[in-house]
Amino acid sequence: DAGVIQSPRHEVTEMGQEVTLRCKPISGHDYLFWYRQTMMRGLELLIYFNNNVPIDDSGMPEDRFSAKMPNASFSTLKIQPSEPRDSAVYFCASSLDLLAGGYNEQFFGPGTRLTVL
Amino acid sequence: QKEVEQDPGPLSVPEGAIVSLNCTYSNSAFQYFMWYRQYSRKGPELLMYTYSSGNKEDGRFTAQVDKSSKYISLFIRDSQPSDSATYLCAMEQGAQKLVFGQGTRLTINP
Repeated sequence: DAGVIQSPRHEVTEMGQEVTLRCKPISGHDYLFWYRQTMMRGLELLIYFNNNVPIDDSGMPEDRFSAKMPNASFSTLKIQPSEPRDSAVYFCASSLDLLAGGYNEQFFGPGTRLTVL
Repeated sequence: QKEVEQDPGPLSVPEGAIVSLNCTYSNSAFQYFMWYRQYSRKGPELLMYTYSSGNKEDGRFTAQVDKSSKYISLFIRDSQPSDSATYLCAMEQGAQKLVFGQGTRLTINP
């Protein structure tokens, strides 16, 4: 299995531009998560989906951020318009839904390093 | 106050030393307690998890949870240079929603 795939790995853009980050979760996983990591704030959950349905978007910082999951194998995180304070590493993660209980390990992708000038 | 507090370090120790990493938390509803390891320029990967209070051992790694004190620890015995990474504690109260600590950057010097 290739693991969680994210693209692009690096993105440099100018303030005001639209940015789209992409994620392909591990095949068969039921949950998909978008995180943001910065030195100041650490790793923060932005939004997560269960079976392609958004469950909790309370971590999305502003209306400039939006996320979609049109099918089980693809998700996007869009920032429009982008601002310098959006510069961070954005991670996508996925997990199974173990109905029997227990902790469902989240598998992280390699991240997208976003720089907004 | 953050829900989960973790000293960001950095922490630097000689090879072979015992390393102790800690987190405190404020939400008593947390049930699962995890330690993730993150190498430079990589995504976090799960190292260990514990349900409720108690200890869990896996090779050179031991995780401890003290719910009465709202305090968790990760011990690394016989530390190796390959253990050099950032260690993040994480907690979950259900519904898959994780809250992470800031992460502690650890360097093991040969």
